Amino acid sequence: EAGVTQFPSHSVIEKGQTVTLRCDPISGHDNLYWYRRVMGKEIKFLLHFVKESKQDESGMPNNRFLAERTGGTYSTLKVQPAELEDSGVYFCASSQYLNTGELFFGEGSRLTVL
Amino acid sequence: GQQLNQSPQSMFIQEGEDVSMNCTSSSIFNTWLWYKQDPGEGPVLLIALYKAGELTSNGRLTAQFGITRKDSFLNISASIPSDVGIYFCAGPGRSGNQFYFGTGTSLTVIP
Repeated sequence: EAGVTQFPSHSVIEKGQTVTLRCDPISGHDNLYWYRRVMGKEIKFLLHFVKESKQDESGMPNNRFLAERTGGTYSTLKVQPAELEDSGVYFCASSQYLNTGELFFGEGSRLTVL
Repeated sequence: GQQLNQSPQSMFIQEGEDVSMNCTSSSIFNTWLWYKQDPGEGPVLLIALYKAGELTSNGRLTAQFGITRKDSFLNISASIPSDVGIYFCAGPGRSGNQFYFGTGTSLTVIP
């Protein structure tokens, strides 16, 4: 069974440009999460989808970040326009059940904003 | 959001040594989770704890859910080189739908 896949694995862009990160969750997992880790800090929650609906987006930093999950399958996270402080590793995770804490993570998309 | 503080921040140990790390929360949790991130990979769940005082093992790993429900501990016995990575604790947010992660403990095992 395929795991969570993320694309791209690494993106280098200039301040002010746009980047779109994609996540394909494990098939059948209704729950999809986006997290971000800045080096040395915690893995910070961004938002949670249940199927195509945003269940909780309290962790989204500001309106430069837009997450979508078309048809409850794959998800995209767009940053527009990117700022220097957006640099970090963006992780996507999926889970079949709520509340158990068993999240399956992708390898992450490293974003570097110059 | 909830604060999860992990200690120590990093560890350098000799192969064969035992390792202990802990995590404290600013509030009470009803679930504690321990994840490991291998270099270049995403975090993987190691152990889940659902009851105060619970002690659970997974091979050489043992984790405990603190009695106060505000802390948890992870021990690794007889470390080996493949134990290298970053260990994260995590716990649920108030809604139970999101999970907060700690800052991580980076472990280096010297052969």
